[in-house]
Amino acid sequence: DAGVTQSPTHLIKTRGQQVTLRCSPKSGHDTVSWYQQALGQGPQFIFQYYEEEERQRGNFPDRFSGHQYPNYSSELNVNALLLGDSALYLCASSPRLAGGQETQYFGPGTRLLVL
Amino acid sequence: SQQGEEDPQALSIQEGENATMNCSYKTSINNLQWYRQNSGRGLVHLILIRSNEREKHSGRLRVTLDTSKKSSSLLITASRAADTASYFCATISSGANSKLTFGKGITLSVRP
Repeated sequence: DAGVTQSPTHLIKTRGQQVTLRCSPKSGHDTVSWYQQALGQGPQFIFQYYEEEERQRGNFPDRFSGHQYPNYSSELNVNALLLGDSALYLCASSPRLAGGQETQYFGPGTRLLVL
Repeated sequence: SQQGEEDPQALSIQEGENATMNCSYKTSINNLQWYRQNSGRGLVHLILIRSNEREKHSGRLRVTLDTSKKSSSLLITASRAADTASYFCATISSGANSKLTFGKGITLSVRP
């Protein structure tokens, strides 16, 4: 049973560029959440998707957008990259049937460096 | 914004000793969860305690929750060098939302 997978593992971009990160949820999970973790900090909630729609959003600008596909996989897109977007981006999945308040399983993350 | 505040920020102990980490939070919660993170990798779920529970055990882990004080503690007994990691508490607030709100984490170092 594959856990949550993310790609790529590392990414280097320059300011102003755009980036797309990908996530495949754990088998049987239909809800995907994205988090940003800056160095030395705890993860910060970006947004959550289920049924292919954004359901909740944290305090992040519109430069951060996402998508969920019918197979429940998800993408995080960041436009007009800033130096401050350098962080570890974590994807987490959970089963919606459980009310969305159960354990979230995290992927290994994508480390993004913006130069 | 961070919901949880872990204490201490860093903890160094000898292998075999017990490690106690504390977490305080601000709003009413549905549940509180503890996660471990090794060297900036993905988070590993350790234990979930619901707002109507006071104590929970899982192997060498013991978690307590005091909703009146809005605080939780994680006890790791008989620590091992492999327990060296960052530990985070995260809460899911009462209501319909399901986002996790994390603290800044505790760095635990277990000396062999």
